Amino acid sequence: DAGITQSPRYKITETGRQVTLMCHQTWSHSYMFWYRQDLGHGLRLIYYSAAADITDKGEVPDGYVVSRSKTENFPLTLESATRSQTSVYFCASSGPTSGRFQETQYFGPGTRLLVL
Amino acid sequence: GESVGLHLPTLSVQEGDNSIINCAYSNSASDYFIWYKQESGKGPQFIIDIRSNMDKRQGQRVTVLLNKTVKHLSLQIAATQPGDSAVYFCAEKRSSGGSNYKLTFGKGTLLTVNP
Repeated sequence: DAGITQSPRYKITETGRQVTLMCHQTWSHSYMFWYRQDLGHGLRLIYYSAAADITDKGEVPDGYVVSRSKTENFPLTLESATRSQTSVYFCASSGPTSGRFQETQYFGPGTRLLVL
Repeated sequence: GESVGLHLPTLSVQEGDNSIINCAYSNSASDYFIWYKQESGKGPQFIIDIRSNMDKRQGQRVTVLLNKTVKHLSLQIAATQPGDSAVYFCAEKRSSGGSNYKLTFGKGTLLTVNP
């Protein structure tokens, strides 16, 4: 059971470059989420998706783009990276899971992004 | 409890003791709550969750208590072990139509278990 995976795990880029973070889940969960985690702010929702081809903004969407052409994948793109986007990014998914509430979100291991 | 500024609330316990981590929530319409554990360098790990029509739910060595009257959630860890050392944070789902799977997270409490 692979669960939810993210790639790359670590990324260093430069200001102005485009970066795409990948997220893949094997549970066929309908909902997927992208969060960023920064000291002093906790987890903040960037974008989420209720199903393939359905996405919506979260709390801090500016500077990010998402797509969801397939249920299992939910890539996050930083169109022109800025230093303020240095953070740890987590992907999560939720949906019907045996023995669990369907609202339960399961997180990936995270991508640590440094923008120079 | 919730953090203020850059400093997380901390709880230090002795191995074998019981730990209680608290969380206050603000929205009386929230209908689902969840606790996560996050170890350094890792993603949040699901511990236990509860719906608002419940007062208590138990898992393996963990219990979540929900007091809707005072909008308070607690996580009890029995016989705390060094491997329980981590940041623990709660999250709530605010009941709403449409995108009702979104969670709002607290900033966490750092639990340190002393051997």
